[in-house]
Amino acid sequence: GQSLEQPSEVTAVEGAIVQINCTYQTSGFYGLSWYQQHDGGAPTFLSYNALDGLEETGRFSSFLSRSDSYGYLLLQELQMKDSASYFCAVWMDSSYKLIFGSGTRLLVRP
Amino acid sequence: NAGVTQTPKFQVLKTGQSMTLQCAQDMNHEYMSWYRQDPGMGLRLIHYSVGAGITDQGEVPNGYNVSRSTTEDFPLRLLSAAPSQTSVYFCASSSRDRAEGIYGYTFGSGTRLTVV
Repeated sequence: GQSLEQPSEVTAVEGAIVQINCTYQTSGFYGLSWYQQHDGGAPTFLSYNALDGLEETGRFSSFLSRSDSYGYLLLQELQMKDSASYFCAVWMDSSYKLIFGSGTRLLVRP
Repeated sequence: NAGVTQTPKFQVLKTGQSMTLQCAQDMNHEYMSWYRQDPGMGLRLIHYSVGAGITDQGEVPNGYNVSRSTTEDFPLRLLSAAPSQTSVYFCASSSRDRAEGIYGYTFGSGTRLTVV
């Protein structure tokens, strides 16, 4: 089986930096992805980590530690439009299915 | 380039009725998946496919059937609708381009289904 743990809610101030953590337990792991979803919208792909380390894409960075079964999404220079839900998702090795965590709701305050 | 197209966007069914949610993608993606999302919850995998003619069960497959006769289409069939199937359904597709090392699913806009 597999499980992914994320905090349910995070609040931060505009312009600040916030980190959303994800720990996973899976019987087979290929990589970790992150998705953003605004209320009423569809999830959109943010980043993917197959190897340990940091991947940077503009204001967003994602980190993976395979030995710790842990990853995080780092959002810098927060903007009001970053208020959304963020999901980590694990690509399962051998089966190629993508399993999502329960999501973290980020609220950015002025 | 339309991406992933889902129809209908909204649907109300009576308990016991059957229906098919349509999903089509024009990106020549091998991987396609169906997810359901209940209010305030994450996405749960219903069924997925790694190519035409190949489908497999996800986390919550009961009450649903899929088929993948072409690369483009991946319809989801509700056999006998139940109130517990009230949810938002998302179809998604992804490339198998391992060389890029990018495994990003493109999602459709969703179907909001209510079973009464």
